[in-house]
Amino acid sequence: GAVVSQHPSWVICKSGTSVKIECRSLDFQATTMFWYRQFPKQSLMLMATSNEGSKATYEQGVEKDKFLINHASLTLSTLTVTSAHPEDSSFYICSVSRSSYNEQFFGPGTRLTVL
Amino acid sequence: RKEVEQDPGPFNVPEGATVAFNCTYSNSASQSFFWYRQDCRKEPKLLMSVYSSGNEDGRFTAQLNRASQYISLLIRDSKLSDSATYLCAVNFQAGTALIFGKGTTLSVSS
Repeated sequence: GAVVSQHPSWVICKSGTSVKIECRSLDFQATTMFWYRQFPKQSLMLMATSNEGSKATYEQGVEKDKFLINHASLTLSTLTVTSAHPEDSSFYICSVSRSSYNEQFFGPGTRLTVL
Repeated sequence: RKEVEQDPGPFNVPEGATVAFNCTYSNSASQSFFWYRQDCRKEPKLLMSVYSSGNEDGRFTAQLNRASQYISLLIRDSKLSDSATYLCAVNFQAGTALIFGKGTTLSVSS
């Protein structure tokens, strides 16, 4: 069965809307989750590392005020795309790491389309 | 220079063919190496980890060359169902984020 779930699986919204994406670790508690973004025909690019109970660590070039991450529990991290614009349209994927096995489990992804 | 580079392809092969993908990484501190498979509009799924001694899983063989900083994936007896994008990924220590290549697209035809 799935180890990581994401909700919603797809969303279409108007420019200026804020969109919240949830990532849940179903099988184990995760102190760390990762958020990636993938544009068409591009690689998955790490956006930020979400840490339970503390601030997320953002990669260079990713605006922390635009992409709000909240990791309030050991099984849930949320990514909010604030005031979304068409250039934010992308495939957003979270992952959970089981560090003892160095294996990452990916959520099914959220396809965001901003009109 | 990108951290992880792959030939994007596409590789178009007939069923039964053997195909090999290479991936190079720039950071010699990379510790762990993986091949993922990604189907269209889906999340990546782990195909196999890559170990220093090389490893095989059925029709798939992965190899690591630390001196030259590249990893390879060999697929034997290609099936139609192998059509997908193959991503290589590295990280620096267990539990840290993965750095992905752009992926190599494979199309297997009958």
